[in-house]
Amino acid sequence: AQKVTQAQTEISVVEKEDVTLDCVYETRDTTYYLFWYKQPPSGELVFLIRRNSFDEQNEISGRYSWNFQKSTSSFNFTITASQVVDSAVYFCALSEARTGGFKTIFGAGTRLFVKA
Amino acid sequence: SQTIHQWPATLVQPVGSPLSLECTVEGTSNPNLYWYRQAAGRGLQLLFYSVGIGQISSEVPQNLSASRPQDRQFILSSKKLLLSDSGFYLCAWGGNTEAFFGQGTRLTVV
Repeated sequence: AQKVTQAQTEISVVEKEDVTLDCVYETRDTTYYLFWYKQPPSGELVFLIRRNSFDEQNEISGRYSWNFQKSTSSFNFTITASQVVDSAVYFCALSEARTGGFKTIFGAGTRLFVKA
Repeated sequence: SQTIHQWPATLVQPVGSPLSLECTVEGTSNPNLYWYRQAAGRGLQLLFYSVGIGQISSEVPQNLSASRPQDRQFILSSKKLLLSDSGFYLCAWGGNTEAFFGQGTRLTVV
């Protein structure tokens, strides 16, 4: 079954703290794609990263880093030295191939509050 | 470049009235299309996805239906709205690459 679990509903940190958002997924497929999106208060969804199931290299982009571990079916997202502008809802997503296309589902999201 | 249009942006409808939300995509052919709903303070729930004209997969039993009459057009409908249909509806296209989202429709059923 295809499932994405973001167990942390809300996280509150003080500016400059590091914070990790957890994502655990379930899939029967060997080929799949994982994503993180950010939804700021304005409501639009902002793409952050995409990973395919064969690429377990961790990635760093500025203050953002992602840890993909197939052994634990996890794709965690860390923000280093958090800033108030990081306050948003963050979604993890999983895309699997289906006949003719792909099916993409999202986790429930983690709301991050960064206080000054 | 690819763009996705979704309208209207906001909608207030009485219980029992019909619904039609439209989404169109430009700049790509045969896109995978999705309808998601985001209830207040909650995550994105996949309602329908479509891999081609006339091909609709429904993810959750509900009061809504979807249709894809043209390659780049995806419509979300209801014959009679319920209060529980209120929420933020997002159309998206994508697949194994990043998903591109419309601006969303905030539906309030009163």
